[in-house]
Amino acid sequence: EVQLVESGGGLVQPGGSLRLSCAASGFTFSNYNMGWVRQAPGKGLEWISYITSGSGTIFYADSVKGRFTISRDTAKRSLYLQMNTLRAEDTAVYYCAKWDSGRHCFDFWGQGTLVTVSS
Amino acid sequence: EIVLTQSPGTLSLSPGERATLSCRASQSVSSTYLAWYQQKPGQAPRLLIYGASSRATGIPDRFSGSGSETDFTLTISRLEPEDFAVYYCQQYVTSQFTFGPGTTVDIK
Repeated sequence: EVQLVESGGGLVQPGGSLRLSCAASGFTFSNYNMGWVRQAPGKGLEWISYITSGSGTIFYADSVKGRFTISRDTAKRSLYLQMNTLRAEDTAVYYCAKWDSGRHCFDFWGQGTLVTVSS
Repeated sequence: EIVLTQSPGTLSLSPGERATLSCRASQSVSSTYLAWYQQKPGQAPRLLIYGASSRATGIPDRFSGSGSETDFTLTISRLEPEDFAVYYCQQYVTSQFTFGPGTTVDIK
């Protein structure tokens, strides 16, 4: 069974940093591209970052480019999101999601971790 | 950048009724790269449809997707109580993944 478990969320002050983790199990993590999608309270889904299986290709949404860094560790079967210079508008639930390159969709999602940026 | 627009914003229907949800793209999208997701309150999104018309594993056949180029549709043939949720379309084109704003299907 595919499982994605996010952690690392919490309350952080504006301008601060936070690192999210996503632990993957139930599939061969090294073979799959992954992404992060966030959802502000009461709002819709916003894709923010994507990384290929070998970390050779990385994309960011304009809203986080230059502030967030996606990475992965195959040995630890984990996906990460380093978030710097956080703003109030970054407050959201952050989901990690597995990308199916054959079907071109996010086929499995974690339950999310809440990041609150507030003083 | 491709923008996705979903309509209506809210659809109020009764169990057993048919739901028709629209997703329009600001420019042509390959149907291969168009997906639909369902999200219930407090839950993560769940993949329903990929490639515009293929059901994901375990998705009941009352859900169907269709469309091409700029106009895509998700149809729920007969609403079950568990289908009342928010539905999002999503497209992928080189380096960009875009979600529509969502359609809420609620109980009339």
